[in-house]
Amino acid sequence: AQRVTQPEKLLSVFKGAPVELKCNYSYSGSPELFWYVQYSRQRLQLLLRHISRESIKGFTADLNKGETSFHLKKPFAQEEDSAMYYCALKETSGSRLTFGEGTQLTVNP
Amino acid sequence: NAGVTQTPKFRVLKTGQSMTLLCAQDMNHEYMYWYRQDPGMGLRLIHYSVGEGTTAKGEVPDGYNVSRLKKQNFLLGLESAAPSQTSVYFCASKRTGGNEQFFGPGTRLTVL
Repeated sequence: AQRVTQPEKLLSVFKGAPVELKCNYSYSGSPELFWYVQYSRQRLQLLLRHISRESIKGFTADLNKGETSFHLKKPFAQEEDSAMYYCALKETSGSRLTFGEGTQLTVNP
Repeated sequence: NAGVTQTPKFRVLKTGQSMTLLCAQDMNHEYMYWYRQDPGMGLRLIHYSVGEGTTAKGEVPDGYNVSRLKKQNFLLGLESAAPSQTSVYFCASKRTGGNEQFFGPGTRLTVL
């Protein structure tokens, strides 16, 4: 069975500092990985997906199959990045997502 | 487009009471999901549906039932609520062939 692990429940950085939110997964097939974000008093929304290889709001994430990781990075954190971030995995064939435990990011002024 | 809506937003139940949470989507999506969100545990899938009239169990289905009588609606029922079901419940939907799930605003349920 697949599993997603986010080892940090809480992460606090200062504005302008680099930030990295860790995500590790276990899955025997070829997964699709996503990052979802939930800002305060807003609904959960998709931030980015690995197949798009895109940068959204300055965030990037690279799928490392050797290390089974999909860490989320931003070189210069902003206060508006403060939110709960979830890493999620979708099986190759299927419609279900498996979410990690979530990391609460706080960017201090 | 309202997207995904959930009713009610908040609810307090006593142990043993029953209730139904309603999820509605106006995007003509085939897939619909119910999750619960608990601190330190992320989102866990309760039940899901791949189309009208079909439902399937997710990761934590015990104590819940669902129905998908209409394509736009996905109902989550608690027959006999327990304190362990205190949580925030999220509904989501997805179109066929798409990767992104669209979430509702959540329902905060407290069982005393």
